[in-house]
Amino acid sequence: GENVEQHPSTLSVQEGDSAVIKCTYSDSASNYFPWYKQELGKRPQLIIDIRSNVGEKKDQRIAVTLNKTAKHFSLHITETQPEDSAVYFCAPERGSYIPTFGRGTSLIVHP
Amino acid sequence: DTAVSQTPKYLVTQMGNDKSIKCEQNLGHDTMYWYKQDSKKFLKIMFSYNNKELIINETVPNRFSPKSPDKAHLNLHINSLELGDSAVYFCASSQERGGGDAEQFFGPGTRLTVL
Repeated sequence: GENVEQHPSTLSVQEGDSAVIKCTYSDSASNYFPWYKQELGKRPQLIIDIRSNVGEKKDQRIAVTLNKTAKHFSLHITETQPEDSAVYFCAPERGSYIPTFGRGTSLIVHP
Repeated sequence: DTAVSQTPKYLVTQMGNDKSIKCEQNLGHDTMYWYKQDSKKFLKIMFSYNNKELIINETVPNRFSPKSPDKAHLNLHINSLELGDSAVYFCASSQERGGGDAEQFFGPGTRLTVL
């Protein structure tokens, strides 16, 4: 099965700083690379995703970059705000119908 | 117009009991999932159900059984509840595009507490 690792497990930044979370995976057949955000007490929700034929995707303050050769992809958040505080999960997929989520990164943005 | 709904939201029960959690999606998706999220926030896939094909995570005890009366519903039955079953259970759905590469829509979660 897919082995997924996320780093760091906790990330504390000051408001306005940038945050980067990295996800490494083992299955070279993975072709879909999403990031989910889970606020305290809420459900996980997709914030950005990328497919294997694209190296980078940006949506306002968030971006995802993919390095298929090295088998990792990263979530970038610029100009962080307190409402960005949440747990972020990566979940690379290869179409096996058994998604594997990373263990999550707790992002804390201090005002 | 809730996309993925679950009932109940909270479930408190005694060890050894049998309980069920219901899930419904109105998105027309063809794949549904059950996840367990423990106290450390780890999201673990338990089952996925696609076009009447059940795919089981082999680490899930057979006390857990999913039941799908139709494409819009995937219920979770748990027999002989144990303390370690306490967690938040999320249902999710997605519309697969030839291989599992689709956004997952999660329900609000069911917090199960076993006493």
